[in-house]
Amino acid sequence: AQKVTQAQTEISVVEKEDVTLDCVYETRDTTYYLFWYKQPPSGELVFLIRRNSFDEQNEISGRYSWNFQKSTSSFNFTITASQVVDSAVYFCALSEAQTSGNEKLTFGTGTRLTIIP
Amino acid sequence: NAGVMQNPRHLVRRRGQEARLRCSPMKGHSHVYWYRQLPEEGLKFMVYLQKENIIDESGMPKERFSAEFPKEGPSILRIQQVVRGDSAAYFCASSLSREVLHTEAFFGQGTRLTVV
Repeated sequence: AQKVTQAQTEISVVEKEDVTLDCVYETRDTTYYLFWYKQPPSGELVFLIRRNSFDEQNEISGRYSWNFQKSTSSFNFTITASQVVDSAVYFCALSEAQTSGNEKLTFGTGTRLTIIP
Repeated sequence: NAGVMQNPRHLVRRRGQEARLRCSPMKGHSHVYWYRQLPEEGLKFMVYLQKENIIDESGMPKERFSAEFPKEGPSILRIQQVVRGDSAAYFCASSLSREVLHTEAFFGQGTRLTVV
């Protein structure tokens, strides 16, 4: 069975600091997909990134960067120069590429990030 | 280009009433997933449907919950005889095909159900 662990329940940092959100996953499949979603106070889910298990290259998008390490089963998310608008709950999720047609996502419990002005 | 539309956004029901949550997938999408988010928790898979078929309902509670995705119209998540523990946010996601889902899952804004 697949599992996603986000050990950090809540994090608070002062604006402009860098912050890293941890995500550790478990899966028996060799082909899988990892996701990060942002849930701002308004409640919707905002897609941030998808990464497949064969692509270990780190990715950077503006102030966001992701570090995927298969050796430690981790897919960590870093925000540099944090801003107040980054305050939200962030979810890491895992999907296994099953041939049955069921691509359901397994979510972690989320990390609530608060950026202090 | 409308995204995944869920309505209502907020729903209040008394214990014992029925709740109907609607999800209109993105245009052309024939795959729909429902997830439930209990307060202060992550999202949990409930059910996966294609048009007129339930593919995987392994996350659905055994009683009182049902889902459908008819040939025409939105997908419906139905909760009969609601109890306080059903209070949660219910999210719907849609995709064009199973392959596209791995590009990104298009989520609606959710329906927040409150049982009083």
